[in-house]
Amino acid sequence: DADVTQTPRNRITKTGKRIMLECSQTKGHDRMYWYRQDPGLGLRLIYYSFDVKDINKGEISDGYSVSRQAQAKFSLSLESAIPNQTALYFCATSGQYSPYEQYFGPGTRLTVT
Amino acid sequence: GNSVTQMEGPVTLSEEAFLTINCTYTATGYPSLFWYVQYPGEGLQLLLKATKADDKGSNKGFEATYRKETTSFHLEKGSVQVSDSAVYFCALGPRAGGTSYGKLTFGQGTILTVHP
Repeated sequence: DADVTQTPRNRITKTGKRIMLECSQTKGHDRMYWYRQDPGLGLRLIYYSFDVKDINKGEISDGYSVSRQAQAKFSLSLESAIPNQTALYFCATSGQYSPYEQYFGPGTRLTVT
Repeated sequence: GNSVTQMEGPVTLSEEAFLTINCTYTATGYPSLFWYVQYPGEGLQLLLKATKADDKGSNKGFEATYRKETTSFHLEKGSVQVSDSAVYFCALGPRAGGTSYGKLTFGQGTILTVHP
């Protein structure tokens, strides 16, 4: 089984809808991250969590919220989706002592029409 | 702030050709540097890293040397294979002690296609 799983893998939704992307990891890591990937822009950090009670905004958090339900689970929500949130979303995890050695999930391709 | 700039892509090569993907960075202090690779349909995975000046990271035939004087971390491989076709991301991670510690900054990615 994969170390980091994301659901759904693909989603098409309409403008204004609320949507949740889920991430689970079996690495036993404390740290979890949500990124979005857009062509030509690389990966940009949306939110990150260094432990269950520590959640922080990344560089592009507007329009998003997160929930860390447990050490292994970190969900990303779009409260009211808009077309420019169409992107590929990645969840990642890392250990406390190797924060930059991140393990990524397979991604969720989200299309907002 | 921290930033990473990669050479414009995409890069198209024939099998067994030499590969260079340029990466330069801007950061305060001396960050750690990384190359991540994203194979089609997959998430990113760490390819190699270097944590201090003049370090050489290497893995799977790829190499990159941390050059403080030129703020660069160029990725090289002597003989590419079709299976190396992927998107390559350069990234930096600040040293401990700053507010950005623990957060990676990625370049925009370079698409590599290798033809038989």
